[in-house]
Amino acid sequence: DTAVSQTPKYLVTQMGNDKSIKCEQNLGHDTMYWYKQDSKKFLKIMFSYNNKELIINETVPNRFSPKSPDKAHLNLHINSLELGDSAVYFCASSQDQGLGAPLHFGNGTRLTVT
Amino acid sequence: GQQLNQSPQSMFIQEGEDVSMNCTSSSIFNTWLWYKQDPGEGPVLLIALYKAGELTSNGRLTAQFGITRKDSFLNISASIPSDVGIYFCAGRNTNAGKSTFGDGTTLTVKP
Repeated sequence: DTAVSQTPKYLVTQMGNDKSIKCEQNLGHDTMYWYKQDSKKFLKIMFSYNNKELIINETVPNRFSPKSPDKAHLNLHINSLELGDSAVYFCASSQDQGLGAPLHFGNGTRLTVT
Repeated sequence: GQQLNQSPQSMFIQEGEDVSMNCTSSSIFNTWLWYKQDPGEGPVLLIALYKAGELTSNGRLTAQFGITRKDSFLNISASIPSDVGIYFCAGRNTNAGKSTFGDGTTLTVKP
């Protein structure tokens, strides 16, 4: 059973389009995250949700809008896609937000904007 | 913001050799974590360290939480081809709500 699952795995789209990435975790964790990994493999946090509540928004453009319908799901919607949005987006979850609990990552969504 | 510097950036070693990589920070953390990322997959936790000075092993892997709380190292003994991947350190503070990642060490193991 996949613990953190993301769909789709690959997403190719044109500039200006709107797209969504879905994430689900079956670990019973309270906290979920979106990370962006750029072409240099650097991992940077975008958002964090705890029990459906936004905790962290790391100065991400407001074209990116996360939505958490329940604590097992955290989706990412991106409006007006730009070339610079091309990256691998990872969803992750952890047992808690503050006690140093390790992250469990999904296998990523590779977004290519042409 | 907090910066984590990993070194070396990349390593090319022969199967059977030991590997050492480290991570330094400009500020302190109270948790250090080491992850490995295989191609096409998400990072997977290798070792978590929760106390300054702590030395923890996981099979052929050993990691230490630096006394100053600003650094950590990871050693891999007797490397094998499946050790290939990108190794990330991450620092985390209680109530910070997020992990800050280093820029990764890419390991290549030649059979």
